[in-house]
Amino acid sequence: GAVVSQHPSRVICKSGTSVKIECRSLDFQATTMFWYRQFPKKSLMLMATSNEGSKATYEQGVEKDKFLINHASLTLSTLTVTSAHPEDSSFYICSAHTSGEPKQFFGPGTRLTVL
Amino acid sequence: GDSVTQMEGPVTLSEEAFLTINCTYTATGYPSLFWYVQYPGEGLQLLLKATKADDKGSNKGFEATYRKETTSFHLEKGSVQVSDSAVYFCALSDGGGKLIFGQGTELSVKP
Repeated sequence: GAVVSQHPSRVICKSGTSVKIECRSLDFQATTMFWYRQFPKKSLMLMATSNEGSKATYEQGVEKDKFLINHASLTLSTLTVTSAHPEDSSFYICSAHTSGEPKQFFGPGTRLTVL
Repeated sequence: GDSVTQMEGPVTLSEEAFLTINCTYTATGYPSLFWYVQYPGEGLQLLLKATKADDKGSNKGFEATYRKETTSFHLEKGSVQVSDSAVYFCALSDGGGKLIFGQGTELSVKP
């Protein structure tokens, strides 16, 4: 099946710093990538939808200036958490979708811990 | 807006027991329905799906039937194994690729 990777898998940073998370589709071209946030023992919350070459669409309540998303190519999307604070600590998951295919392929997730 | 509701966990069963995890949805259109599974320390994996009413999705002994009349997509397995211990998510998609997830149900199977 299709493979989606995320890097890094785990990151610890100091409060106030910025962290970039990469999401790559390894063997297919993703027209759309989604970024989710998963809290402990909670469901996945969709943060934003990004289409290659255009601005991301953010869900209500998600700060677009804090969570910068770039989808520069059909195989790479990045999420940058700017000026991270402890409340941003979470598990961030991306998924990739190809038009015409009803399912998404999920990355393994990135555990962010902000001290 | 569209939403998905799952039964609360955790669910604890003995090996070879019958499993049902309830899932109901609210949608304005005709969504596709999915069950995803997340094993400890791993990412989400698609378990099964159904794209229209009365479709039955099945995989690895798990089944779920798309019931439009009751807006449900309950997950069942006749005999669970320890290796089925995971968190199970019900989800719907309106066709645009966007997924809406239920809150997840943790399943723990004891030997």
